[in-house]
Amino acid sequence: NAGVTQTPKFRVLKTGQSMTLLCAQDMNHEYMYWYRQDPGMGLRLIHYSVGEGTTAKGEVPDGYNVSRLKKQNFLLGLESAAPSQTSVYFCASSENRGDPPQHFGDGTRLSIL
Amino acid sequence: AQKVTQAQTEISVVEKEDVTLDCVYETRDTTYYLFWYKQPPSGELVFLIRRNSFDEQNEISGRYSWNFQKSTSSFNFTITASQVVDSAVYFCALSEAGDNYGQNFVFGPGTRLSVLP
Repeated sequence: NAGVTQTPKFRVLKTGQSMTLLCAQDMNHEYMYWYRQDPGMGLRLIHYSVGEGTTAKGEVPDGYNVSRLKKQNFLLGLESAAPSQTSVYFCASSENRGDPPQHFGDGTRLSIL
Repeated sequence: AQKVTQAQTEISVVEKEDVTLDCVYETRDTTYYLFWYKQPPSGELVFLIRRNSFDEQNEISGRYSWNFQKSTSSFNFTITASQVVDSAVYFCALSEAGDNYGQNFVFGPGTRLSVLP
């Protein structure tokens, strides 16, 4: 029972570098989400997907891109990393339209120098 | 715009004490959902409860209870006889119902609870 798996768990980047965070879920969930967590601000939605091949912007989408080519995977990309993107990133999934994000990954701690 | 306020940034209690975590929300919608999540020191997020705006009955689950008061826009969380394992950051969240459900979650800033032995 892997649930939601995020890779990598930690990463340090230099300003301007690019990288992709991978989220994989093995529960056949339709909905997937990417959040960032910053001190004192709770979680903020970056992008989400309501199914394979679909993505949409959340509250703080600037500087990020996403793709959902396969139902089980939701990728978050940083094309040109900035120090303001230093954060902990969480992926989440839910099965149906009426479900809240219930299954979260363990998070990816990303530092941009 | 939706907003969730958790005024208590940090709370410390001694084991076996009862503790209440406050959550106040703002929304223009008449139909909405409220949630609580727990984030223990290990970092993962655990979904605890969902309530809809039509159901103001209090809910109890073991040592956990939730008090939803629509008149004061509050959805408070009480832990009875707290234990060290309850130490975590607790997030309150709000989502409007309808077509945007699930996509417009707003999380509060969280309350860090420390339960001391």
